[in-house]
Amino acid sequence: KAGVTQTPRYLIKTRGQQVTLSCSPISGHRSVSWYQQTPGQGLQFLFEYFSETQRNKGNFPGRFSGRQFSNSRSEMNVSTLELGDSALYLCASSLAWSSGSFRYEQYFGPGTRLTVT
Amino acid sequence: AQSVTQPDIHITVSEGASLELRCNYSYGATPYLFWYVQSPGQGLQLLLKYFSGDTLVQGIKGFEAEFKRSQSSFNLRKPSVHWSDAAEYFCAVGARDMRFGAGTRLTVKP
Repeated sequence: KAGVTQTPRYLIKTRGQQVTLSCSPISGHRSVSWYQQTPGQGLQFLFEYFSETQRNKGNFPGRFSGRQFSNSRSEMNVSTLELGDSALYLCASSLAWSSGSFRYEQYFGPGTRLTVT
Repeated sequence: AQSVTQPDIHITVSEGASLELRCNYSYGATPYLFWYVQSPGQGLQLLLKYFSGDTLVQGIKGFEAEFKRSQSSFNLRKPSVHWSDAAEYFCAVGARDMRFGAGTRLTVKP
């Protein structure tokens, strides 16, 4: 079974621009989460999507947004890029999300390395 | 609020020696706990997880971890380290919004 794929793998943008990153989850996985990884802040949760709905959101400004499509693929968008947005953006997928007892085992993609100049 | 502390930023062990990486968590309820490994330039690979039941859990690559509720710990162990184990290791807690520790970088001496 193919793993989580993220495109592009590397990206260089200029301050003020916007960027869209893509994530394709493992086949059958319906939940997608996004994380930002930087040397200073470590791994931080951005948001989580299930059934095309944002279920949870981390503490990031509104410039960071995302969406999920009916095939569970997800995109995240960062508008008005700042130098501090330079990071490795990781996508993770899991089988399902439930308000009852549930398992939350996430599988990560290789990430998109974003450099803002 | 849930949080994870990995007290050791960097650990060096000799190949063949045993390894223990520490993880302490803060969580209001029964935690979902994970250990991930990240090689340079790569994503995170799940080593093992704890949801409930047996407090000693086995993972891939010969790793195991023990959940100790009284100590709020979930330490990762391996009896004999291989050079290929050199990487960064992350402990994580949570479910809907996973919180990660700062990571422990493992160096393996020949």
